Amino acid sequence: DAKTTQPPSMDCAEGRAANLPCNHSTISGNEYVYWYRQIHSQGPQYIIHGLKNNETNEMASLIITEDRKSSTLILPHATLRDTAVYYCIVRRNYGGATNKLIFGTGTLLAVQP
Amino acid sequence: DTAVSQTPKYLVTQMGNDKSIKCEQNLGHDTMYWYKQDSKKFLKIMFSYNNKELIINETVPNRFSPKSPDKAHLNLHINSLELGDSAVYFCASSRASGTEAFFGQGTRLTVV
Repeated sequence: DAKTTQPPSMDCAEGRAANLPCNHSTISGNEYVYWYRQIHSQGPQYIIHGLKNNETNEMASLIITEDRKSSTLILPHATLRDTAVYYCIVRRNYGGATNKLIFGTGTLLAVQP
Repeated sequence: DTAVSQTPKYLVTQMGNDKSIKCEQNLGHDTMYWYKQDSKKFLKIMFSYNNKELIINETVPNRFSPKSPDKAHLNLHINSLELGDSAVYFCASSRASGTEAFFGQGTRLTVV
């Protein structure tokens, strides 16, 4: 699975959009980009994933560059409850129980009041 | 209803003891996992099971023995606990096609 690079920390003002970047320059054609987050003292939570098209759900939007070497997770209106470590993970969907997630160090997003 | 539940939430025990952590999911998923998060906050997979069959064992010491009595449960038994086993252990589940995984709230194990 491809490796990812994320900034260790970011700040965002409450109510503003939070844009979290991720570099995955060695991504291959059949690898997906996944985002999870971990709020303090909780288990990781799935946010969104995509292959090459931009994706949006009720939590966030995922923008993947045309060459797929980087992506941005956008939280459109950050709240204090969005303060968490955000993990960008790249992997193939193997199917079956080989779908392990390889977590990096993530980005600590601190939403400021 | 909690989708993936683990018990206990906290576990403090002495070195050398044997302990178990239980995990249950009510999502109807075929695949379950154990992850370990150490003191530096690195999250790493330990095991995965599919329909009660062990699929992934990430070079975990054999003091750790997962048991899956049915596909809704994956328990983790740890023998001869060591100080280095202190960590937060997360159970997770997903469909066999494995897009998103759902995690439990974690079990904080402290070995003294």
